[in-house]
Amino acid sequence: AQSVTQPDIHITVSEGASLELRCNYSYGATPYLFWYVQSPGQGLQLLLKYFSGDTLVQGIKGFEAEFKRSQSSFNLRKPSVHWSDAAEYFCAVGVTTDSWGKLQFGSGTQVVVTP
Amino acid sequence: NAGVTQTPKFRILKIGQSMTLQCTQDMNHNYMYWYRQDPGMGLKLIYYSVGAGITDKGEVPNGYNVSRSTTEDFPLRLELAAPSQTSVYFCASSQALTLGYTFGSGTRLTVV
Repeated sequence: AQSVTQPDIHITVSEGASLELRCNYSYGATPYLFWYVQSPGQGLQLLLKYFSGDTLVQGIKGFEAEFKRSQSSFNLRKPSVHWSDAAEYFCAVGVTTDSWGKLQFGSGTQVVVTP
Repeated sequence: NAGVTQTPKFRILKIGQSMTLQCTQDMNHNYMYWYRQDPGMGLKLIYYSVGAGITDKGEVPNGYNVSRSTTEDFPLRLELAAPSQTSVYFCASSQALTLGYTFGSGTRLTVV
């Protein structure tokens, strides 16, 4: 069965420290991958996406993610976290064979930033 | 540039009542989606549409209905509300499969 897993429910990180959020997927077809961020009480905002080409993609707010096909992973990173990065982060996966463009979302990782 | 607009933002329903969650987008996107978000569960797809007159069920469609009479509007109908439908509902739209979604700000629904 197709699945998207975010193993970390909650991560606490100090301001200025690096951050890495994990995402693993299980799909038979070629995936396209997204990371979204949700601030409290808000909708989801697209951070970055991957569907082909360079496996290291840059996004907004200083985030980047690396697609590793051999590990079925698409981990999100930021070198130096700011207090405003406190939010919930969702990985999402779709497949190129789905013409309806449906995405399956992970369960989310809550990021807390401490001073 | 409004993007995706959802109304209302908050609503409390009594068990057995019905309501319609409104979703409008002004980007001329063909694809539209309804998701519900429950704590620790991520987002689950309720219904989706690829254009006016074309809709289909997602992962959790029971208790909901949709219609798509125009490109802009994709309302979600709850009939006979149940406590299990207490959730945050998000509408999203997309122009192309590889561009990702634009989300609305959500409707927080409580059924008591």
